Amino acid sequence: AQSVAQPEDQVNVAEGNPLTVKCTYSVSGNPYLFWYVQYPNRGLQFLLKYITGDNLVKGSYGFEAEFNKSQTSFHLKKPSALVSDSALYFCAVRDPGGAGSYQLTFGKGTKLSVIP
Amino acid sequence: KAGVTQTPRYLIKTRGQQVTLSCSPISGHRSVSWYQQTPGQGLQFLFEYFSETQRNKGNFPGRFSGRQFSNSRSEMNVSTLELGDSALYLCASSLGQGASGANVLTFGAGSRLTVL
Repeated sequence: AQSVAQPEDQVNVAEGNPLTVKCTYSVSGNPYLFWYVQYPNRGLQFLLKYITGDNLVKGSYGFEAEFNKSQTSFHLKKPSALVSDSALYFCAVRDPGGAGSYQLTFGKGTKLSVIP
Repeated sequence: KAGVTQTPRYLIKTRGQQVTLSCSPISGHRSVSWYQQTPGQGLQFLFEYFSETQRNKGNFPGRFSGRQFSNSRSEMNVSTLELGDSALYLCASSLGQGASGANVLTFGAGSRLTVL
């Protein structure tokens, strides 16, 4: 079965500093990887995905992620953190089901706090 | 365009009761998935529907069921509620065909169920 791990429950970063939220994965076959963000009392919002191609993926709100096959990692990054980036971040991997279906298997989430 | 709409947003039930949650997907999206989010277990896949057929099901007891209508709207039902069913229930829609593994899931804001 596919799985993802987010080793940090919480990440604190000062406003204006670069941020990294870590994710490692375990899959059979080619990985389809996603990052989502969740604000309080809201659903999940899509940030970016890696399917194939360039290892550096650019997404919404200035976020990017680096796919590293040898380290089986897909870390989320942003050059300069904003207070408004404070939220819960989820890494996910596509987990194929049957009959053409698939589901997302999510990590436990990382709470990002950006300190003014 | 309108996003994924879930109703009700909040509800309180007592043990033994049943509940029905509704999800209206983005127009043109034929796949609807349901996820349960709890602090302890994180995000867990419940089931996925495509063209009124359940294509995939997660590891939940039979008390959890769902269906999809011809207009792609979906409902999920939980019978004989238990305290542990208290959670945020998230619905997500996607195109659900073609390169479905690469399709992005768009989530609704969720229905927060409290079981007393």
